[in-house]
Amino acid sequence: GENVEQHPSTLSVQEGDSAVIKCTYSDSASNYFPWYKQELGKGPQLIIDIRSNVGEKKDQRIAVTLNKTAKHFSLHITETQPEDSAVYFCAAIPGSARQLTFGSGTQLTVLP
Amino acid sequence: EAQVTQNPRYLITVTGKKLTVTCSQNMNHEYMSWYRQDPGLGLRQIYYSMNVEVTDKGDVPEGYKVSRKEKRNFPLILESPSPNQTSLYFCASSLSRTGGGEGYTFGSGTRLTVV
Repeated sequence: GENVEQHPSTLSVQEGDSAVIKCTYSDSASNYFPWYKQELGKGPQLIIDIRSNVGEKKDQRIAVTLNKTAKHFSLHITETQPEDSAVYFCAAIPGSARQLTFGSGTQLTVLP
Repeated sequence: EAQVTQNPRYLITVTGKKLTVTCSQNMNHEYMSWYRQDPGLGLRQIYYSMNVEVTDKGDVPEGYKVSRKEKRNFPLILESPSPNQTSLYFCASSLSRTGGGEGYTFGSGTRLTVV
């Protein structure tokens, strides 16, 4: 089945700096890659996603890039703010009838 | 308000005492799923349901049961809880198994401790 590895497990950045979280996947048939943000005491929430027919997608301060050849995708957050502090999960799903597989999560802390 | 409601939020129980965690959604979603979240392991799928009366095992189904008798409800049943089922549990629903354009809607979680 699909295996998604996520790095780093923890990340601390200064407010205003950029943060990058990276994920790799194993199933070359995977074609949909969402990113979820989990704030303290809440369930995860979708923040951005990308499909395998594009290489990059941007939404204000967040962007996701996809390298299908290398089977990895990344989340980029620019001009980080304290409210960006949360756990971030990447995920992947093959084009078959499989289920969404999540990475192990990254605890992002934005230091004031 | 569109939401997934889980109950209870916190539960401490003893080994072997049957329990049910309820999950209800008000968005008419066909797809529902249960996850457990453990440190360093991320979100692991327990069971999922594509529609009423259609359920299937996820990656870690041992020790759990589910049912989907109505579209809105998807309870998680632990017939004989054990300490290794101590975890944070999330119910999620969506229009499809990928989440579609809106993604999965997650509940607020149930923190279960089995002693």
